Amino acid sequence: EVQLVESGGGLVQPGGSLRLSCAASGLTFSNYWMHWVRQAPGKGLVWVSRINNDGSSTTYADSVKGRFTLSRDNAKNTLYLQMNSLRAEDTAVYYCVRDGGSCYDYWGQGTLVTVSS
Amino acid sequence: QSVLTQPPSVSGAPGQRVTISCTGSSSNIGAGYDVHWYQQLPGTAPKLLIYGNTNRPSGVPDRFSGSQSGTSASLAITGLQAEDEADYYCQSYDSSLSGYYVFGMGTKVTV
Repeated sequence: EVQLVESGGGLVQPGGSLRLSCAASGLTFSNYWMHWVRQAPGKGLVWVSRINNDGSSTTYADSVKGRFTLSRDNAKNTLYLQMNSLRAEDTAVYYCVRDGGSCYDYWGQGTLVTVSS
Repeated sequence: QSVLTQPPSVSGAPGQRVTISCTGSSSNIGAGYDVHWYQQLPGTAPKLLIYGNTNRPSGVPDRFSGSQSGTSASLAITGLQAEDEADYYCQSYDSSLSGYYVFGMGTKVTV
């Protein structure tokens, strides 16, 4: 069974940093592109970033470009999202999702990031 | 403001049929990119409901069906059940400069 487990969320002050992790199991992690999708409280889903299967290519939403960095360690079956210069509008539940061929076929349970002073 | 437009809410009585529209443009749905649908039950992570416009993953009841035409797509739920009360999102890819992976703003289905 495919499992994606996010961690690393929490409360951080504006301008601060946080690193999210996503531990994957039940799949050959190195075969799949992976994404982060976020959802602000009471709002809809928004794509954040994606990384290809070997980590050589990343893409970011304009809203996080230059502040967030996505990486992966295929030996550890783990995805990372380094978030710097955090803003109040980054407050959201962050989901780690598997790319099943343009669709998101598996989702983690999400980790909440709150940016507030 | 989402690139894909969905109605904020739809409602129906148990057993009825409801449809949710997802309207895009020539840079996403109209360009031939697949549309996918997700169901998000209250307090839970989204779940893939329909992929590749019309396909159901294993375990999804055949009460759920998807279609696509031109720059729009639709999700239909027949034989509406109380457990179908959730938020539904369409998703596709957009080739414009502000694009990449785009979602609709979501539709709340009330039974």
